[in-house]
Amino acid sequence: GAVVSQHPSRVICKSGTSVKIECRSLDFQATTMFWYRQFPKQSLMLMATSNEGSKATYEQGVEKDKFLINHASLTLSTLTVTSAHPEDSSFYICSASSGGAYNEQFFGPGTRLTVL
Amino acid sequence: QQQVKQSPQSLIVQKGGISIINCAYENTAFDYFPWYQQFPGKGPALLIAIRPDVSEKKEGRFTISFNKSAKQFSLHIMDSQPGDSATYFCAAPSKAAGNKLTFGGGTRVLVKP
Repeated sequence: GAVVSQHPSRVICKSGTSVKIECRSLDFQATTMFWYRQFPKQSLMLMATSNEGSKATYEQGVEKDKFLINHASLTLSTLTVTSAHPEDSSFYICSASSGGAYNEQFFGPGTRLTVL
Repeated sequence: QQQVKQSPQSLIVQKGGISIINCAYENTAFDYFPWYQQFPGKGPALLIAIRPDVSEKKEGRFTISFNKSAKQFSLHIMDSQPGDSATYFCAAPSKAAGNKLTFGGGTRVLVKP
């Protein structure tokens, strides 16, 4: 149980285009989903927290107009990187929490974004 | 400000040996301490977790030791295997912060055959 999927697993796009990444909880309803960014050999950096049906809460320094998050249902959240630039190239990972006693987070497999 | 400090940054251990990774935290509001295992190009996977009302939890070859007074917790990998070679992250969520996870910096473990 507690499986989280992400799509696509990797994407290459041209500078200036927008890219959408989907995060799905496959076997549970996720009250909260989180989006992280990870640079090579570094830890995970939380970008934003999204709750179903409400606006995402962004961490300090994360541009909300650049990284659009939509949490339309209890099993799906999307991250759209708008007008992507090479510096947006990174590994993006989502996690989902079912809101249990300790709100365990289960992570997706990640999406490798490369902006040319 | 790093609220969870993890050490060492990297670790090399022989097959069959014990890998030990340590984490120290500052926020006493943390009430759940998970460890995640991440292979290259993959997302982190929950490995084992402990609550602060117990001092040790063991699952197979993996053991968490927790010292509440010292605000430290550690992961022990017994009989380390080459397949354990990965990056390990300790973490702690804060209910006061919407259960956001604060991650340690990670430890790259290499188990040599």
